[in-house]
Amino acid sequence: SQTIHQWPATLVQPVGSPLSLECTVEGTSNPNLYWYRQAAGRGLQLLFYSVGIGQISSEVPQNLSASRPQDRQFILSSKKLLLSDSGFYLCAGSSGLGNTEAFFGQGTRLTVV
Amino acid sequence: KNEVEQSPQNLTAQEGEFITINCSYSVGISALHWLQQHPGGGIVSLFMLSSGKKKHGRLIATINIQEKHSSLHITASHPRDSAVYICAGYSNYQLIWGAGTKLIIKP
Repeated sequence: SQTIHQWPATLVQPVGSPLSLECTVEGTSNPNLYWYRQAAGRGLQLLFYSVGIGQISSEVPQNLSASRPQDRQFILSSKKLLLSDSGFYLCAGSSGLGNTEAFFGQGTRLTVV
Repeated sequence: KNEVEQSPQNLTAQEGEFITINCSYSVGISALHWLQQHPGGGIVSLFMLSSGKKKHGRLIATINIQEKHSSLHITASHPRDSAVYICAGYSNYQLIWGAGTKLIIKP
């Protein structure tokens, strides 16, 4: 079965520092991959999705960027974190014939101080 | 109106009670996911449903495709079940998320 390894689980970073969150996929190839963010008290919002290596679509303008250097690797980055970047970040994927289901990382709780 | 609606938003119950959380959706989906998020913790995928019913321990999930409705049940609830439960529909290569139900089980 498909699994996503996402790390770290928690992260505390100072304002202005860079960010790199990574997720890697096992058990499938050529997945669609997604980064979501959940701000405090709110639902999950799609940030980026990728249908293949080097292919990134951004859903909302923000201080973040995403990259997909390998088929099963998806990275969320920032050059300079803002306080408003605090939240819960979730990597998710979908694959399989007809892409009928999704699978999820455990998420990263980011606190910018 | 959101495409995936959960109810209730908040639920407080006593230990041992039978819990039901509902999820209704207005779009065609190929799968419905239930996830659990503990306070300060990560996401755990509980179920993926495309039809019928699934059971895992004290958790039961059902889906009615015709009515576009899914329910998550917890039998013999326990304080450790306290968490936010989220449903998400998978449609056209996108996940459509419910807002979550915050469940508190009091001892």
